[in-house]
Amino acid sequence: EAGVAQSPRYKIIEKRQSVAFWCNPISGHATLYWYQQILGQGPKLLIQFQNNGVVDDSQLPKDRFSAERLKGVDSTLKIQPAKLEDSAVYLCASSSDSYEQYFGPGTRLTVT
Amino acid sequence: ILNVEQSPQSLHVQEGDSTNFTCSFPSSNFYALHWYRWETAKSPEALFVMTLNGDEKKKGRISATLNTKEGYSYLYIKGSQPEDSATYLCAFWGYSTLTFGKGTMLLVSP
Repeated sequence: EAGVAQSPRYKIIEKRQSVAFWCNPISGHATLYWYQQILGQGPKLLIQFQNNGVVDDSQLPKDRFSAERLKGVDSTLKIQPAKLEDSAVYLCASSSDSYEQYFGPGTRLTVT
Repeated sequence: ILNVEQSPQSLHVQEGDSTNFTCSFPSSNFYALHWYRWETAKSPEALFVMTLNGDEKKKGRISATLNTKEGYSYLYIKGSQPEDSATYLCAFWGYSTLTFGKGTMLLVSP
């Protein structure tokens, strides 16, 4: 079974630039999550999708972050414009039930 | 904001040492407790999902216990090997969300 795929793996941008991350979940997994993990902290949930609908985006900074999950499969997370404090690892995870989440390798973003 | 605490923050041991980490979490509205191992540049890997008070799970040299009444879980590694070097994350599933601790970073020297 193929795992969760994410791209790019690394990205370096300057502040005020835009960036987008892509995630392809495990086939058949209805739920998709985006997490932000800042150095020294645990992963924090940004947004949760059930199929192509948003279940929870309470911690997503909506003034600069957006996410979509077209057709209930792949998802993209965008930051526009980026700030220095957005430097983090962005993890995508998927699950078929509430219990276990399967994670991708993450995208490490550095904002200079 | 839910409080999920892990200790120690980091640990450096010699090959062959046994070690253990602690995860504390809210004792109310408990649904499950997850342990993940996260090696640098790789995906976090699920180790255990624990749901019942008194649960004990084992996977090779790694085992975990769960006390939901007092809100803690221990992860044990017996005879640490260099390949065990990673960050170990616990995550509390409750209040309809998964809340992670900051992790324990383990370094095992040959």
